Amino acid sequence: DVKVTQSSRYLVKRTGEKVFLECVQDMDHENMFWYRQDPGLGLRLIYFSYDVKMKEKGDIPEGYSVSREKKERFSLILESASTNQTSMYLCASSQGGGNSPLHFGNGTRLTVT
Amino acid sequence: KNQVEQSPQSLIILEGKNCTLQCNYTVSPFSNLRWYKQDTGRGPVSLTIMTFSENTKSNGRYTATLDADTKQSSLHITASQLSDSASYICVVSSLGAGTALIFGKGTTLSVSS
Repeated sequence: DVKVTQSSRYLVKRTGEKVFLECVQDMDHENMFWYRQDPGLGLRLIYFSYDVKMKEKGDIPEGYSVSREKKERFSLILESASTNQTSMYLCASSQGGGNSPLHFGNGTRLTVT
Repeated sequence: KNQVEQSPQSLIILEGKNCTLQCNYTVSPFSNLRWYKQDTGRGPVSLTIMTFSENTKSNGRYTATLDADTKQSSLHITASQLSDSASYICVVSSLGAGTALIFGKGTTLSVSS
């Protein structure tokens, strides 16, 4: 089974802090994604990557950046955390091809105070 | 605009009863439609995928249908169990410039004893 591991289940940070969310997948997938999930809004794509050192903006990239130095690891960075970034963050990976499912981690619930 | 609408937003049923969740989409060009189940505190997990030529597909007590003409899909759950309590998310894949995934906001199902 594919395993996508997010380093933290819960994080509490202060406004203005730099925050790193880490994600590792163990199935050599090419594609990796970061989503945030908010009540009433569903999942929204922040950034994705189709290859090492490659990144593409999703629908809501403002206030975020990403890093993919190795194929198995995809990091989400909040440069200066704000309260409106309080959310559930989900990392996912998939093989190439339009019919491949997303494999999600169990999420990181981030609270910014 | 590509959109995926799910109904109802939430649903409560008694254990053992059947239920049907709806997904309507306005996505073009259409590639496939996938249903995910998200248990509380976990990431979504793929239940089934429907491609353009498929009308019905079953996965245990879950049966998905697709009507590509009316752009509607349904997920039918037979003889519900407490473990079916979850959010069910419909995701439509569009093949345009790259592959885009359009997420519905989900239906929250609660099965009570």
